[in-house]
Amino acid sequence: GQQVMQIPQYQHVQEGEDFTTYCNSSTTLSNIQWYKQRPGGHPVFLIQLVKSGEVKKQKRLTFQFGEAKKNSSLHITATQTTDVGTYFCARLGSSARQLTFGSGTQLTVLP
Amino acid sequence: DAGVTQSPTHLIKTRGQQVTLRCSPKSGHDTVSWYQQALGQGPQFIFQYYEEEERQRGNFPDRFSGHQFPNYSSELNVNALLLGDSALYLCASSLVGGNEQFFGPGTRLTVL
Repeated sequence: GQQVMQIPQYQHVQEGEDFTTYCNSSTTLSNIQWYKQRPGGHPVFLIQLVKSGEVKKQKRLTFQFGEAKKNSSLHITATQTTDVGTYFCARLGSSARQLTFGSGTQLTVLP
Repeated sequence: DAGVTQSPTHLIKTRGQQVTLRCSPKSGHDTVSWYQQALGQGPQFIFQYYEEEERQRGNFPDRFSGHQFPNYSSELNVNALLLGDSALYLCASSLVGGNEQFFGPGTRLTVL
């Protein structure tokens, strides 16, 4: 199936610094979703992007879908300790059944 | 409004044994998907159930089977457990054809 690659695998930032994680695919994506998983928790849906060049914001989080629909990014401005966790991108299959997850970026925020 | 619930929370089994994990979907949801998440990796799709039938299956062997009941709850069964089956098993519910899947807290399975 279509794989999504995610970088970096780990990111340590000082509280207040910005953070960005990237998701890339070799093929065109019909959609991209982003999830957050806190340590010891379960994935929680953040957002879905479907349009070329789409940009969506949720408070300090900015999500982008590339013009070619082959990449996406999640940017967090002025990180807080509550942002700690692993951020996953995922592609929902055309039949809206199977989610294919990237490997995730584990964010650590140092106080 | 209860979210997705899973039981048990933790489970320890030995190689060769069989295990059954349970999931109750979010109220109003009719579709249940199961995922396996190994340590440090993203969740891997096992299968999805709707109307008590398996709609789609990921790349998992036949040792993994499931069931959905008329009340939409679901079970995941794994036979002949291997050490490599140790993982967090996540259940996710949704409306059929819906884009958003709601994940439960998961069952942590350890195979010794």
